Amino acid sequence: DAGVTQSPTHLIKTRGQQVTLRCSPKSGHDTVSWYQQALGQGPQFIFQYYEEEERQRGNFPDRFSGHQFPNYSSELNVNALLLGDSALYLCASSTSLRATEAFFGQGTRLTVV
Amino acid sequence: AQTVTQSQPEMSVQEAETVTLSCTYDTSESDYYLFWYKQPPSRQMILVIRQEAYKQQNATENRFSVNFQKAAKSFSLKISDSQLGDAAMYFCAYRSGEGAQKLVFGQGTRLTINP
Repeated sequence: DAGVTQSPTHLIKTRGQQVTLRCSPKSGHDTVSWYQQALGQGPQFIFQYYEEEERQRGNFPDRFSGHQFPNYSSELNVNALLLGDSALYLCASSTSLRATEAFFGQGTRLTVV
Repeated sequence: AQTVTQSQPEMSVQEAETVTLSCTYDTSESDYYLFWYKQPPSRQMILVIRQEAYKQQNATENRFSVNFQKAAKSFSLKISDSQLGDAAMYFCAYRSGEGAQKLVFGQGTRLTINP
């Protein structure tokens, strides 16, 4: 079982650019959540996808958008990158919307210069 | 909105000793879950232990146990017989029992194990 996989592991982008991060959930999981973890902070919830729809959203601007595909994999898109978007982006998957346990990937480290 | 507070940015303990990490939370809900996650330098969040709010018995997983004080909204993690591999960031997290699965995390505690 490959667990939750994220790509790429590291990424450097220029301010104003757009970025796409990818996540493949653990086998048997259909729900994907994304979190942003700034340096020295706890993760903050961005949004959650289930059945290809955004089900819940945290306090993030519309520059942050996502998508879930029929195979349950997911993408996080960030437009008009700001220096403050530099962070570790974590993907978590679970067996359902109401599952009590989430499994995390190793994250994508995004640096905006 | 729910909040989670970890008041100890850093803790250290001698190998084989016991250490307790503190966490408090604020919620008006009666049905919820609390978690401790470990984040080693590999960055992957690993679930250490889980507590259901409706259960009075404190959760235990091998060397890890919690002290859940619902009235005080306190949820501390005790690590017994500390090992070098326990060194990591530890995050306390809250999840509502209603609706979707959003986790609310604390700021984290960096645990150092001294050999």
